[in-house]
Amino acid sequence: QVQLQESGPGLVKPSQTLSLTCTVSGGSISSGSYYWSWIRQPAGKGLEWIGRISTSGSTNYNSSLRSRVTISVDTSKNQFSLNLNSVTAADTAMYYCARWSTMVGTFDPWGQGTLVTVSS
Amino acid sequence: QSALTQPPSASGSPGQSVTISCTGTSSDVGGYNYVSWYQQHPGNAPKLMIYEVSERPSGVPDRFSGSKSGNTASLTVSGLQAEDEADYYCSSYAGSNNFVVFGGGTKLTVL
Repeated sequence: QVQLQESGPGLVKPSQTLSLTCTVSGGSISSGSYYWSWIRQPAGKGLEWIGRISTSGSTNYNSSLRSRVTISVDTSKNQFSLNLNSVTAADTAMYYCARWSTMVGTFDPWGQGTLVTVSS
Repeated sequence: QSALTQPPSASGSPGQSVTISCTGTSSDVGGYNYVSWYQQHPGNAPKLMIYEVSERPSGVPDRFSGSKSGNTASLTVSGLQAEDEADYYCSSYAGSNNFVVFGGGTKLTVL
């Protein structure tokens, strides 16, 4: 059973770059018809899709974040990563990684999430 | 502002049925059958409950059902139980440009 786990700093200073990694276990990141996604959720608010990447490196980003986001994949490590630059307090949120199935259009499974706070 | 519109709250007594709506446009909900619903308990990651409008993943009780009419999708929870109290989010595929959009979430309270 595939599981995802986010990792990275919990505190980032304003104007710096937020960097997170999602490690996939229980299966190969390269198998199946999937995209690997990042989603965030500010405290008490709804879900916001950030972007996705295929194992071939094809990416799509939320238009509202596109200028600041980069998602990459390392198939040898079964990982994919998120970089969000020029962060502000508005980027403070729980960040989730999730697998997107192109067959059924779902995010499943999800990682447990990691809280990132932007503060000096 | 979320792309899909959900009521902020819904409630029902144990054993009753509750329906949560999710309204989009012809570019998302109305244009594709890739509507999903996610349940999120406090402090937990979202959990897939419904996919492709009305399909249930293995392990999801059949008390949960989904439907769609035009640009509005709905999640119905029948025979409400205390453990159903959670936030529910809808999502829809929105094409190759916008990819996916979420609703703002509905807090379901079991009275």
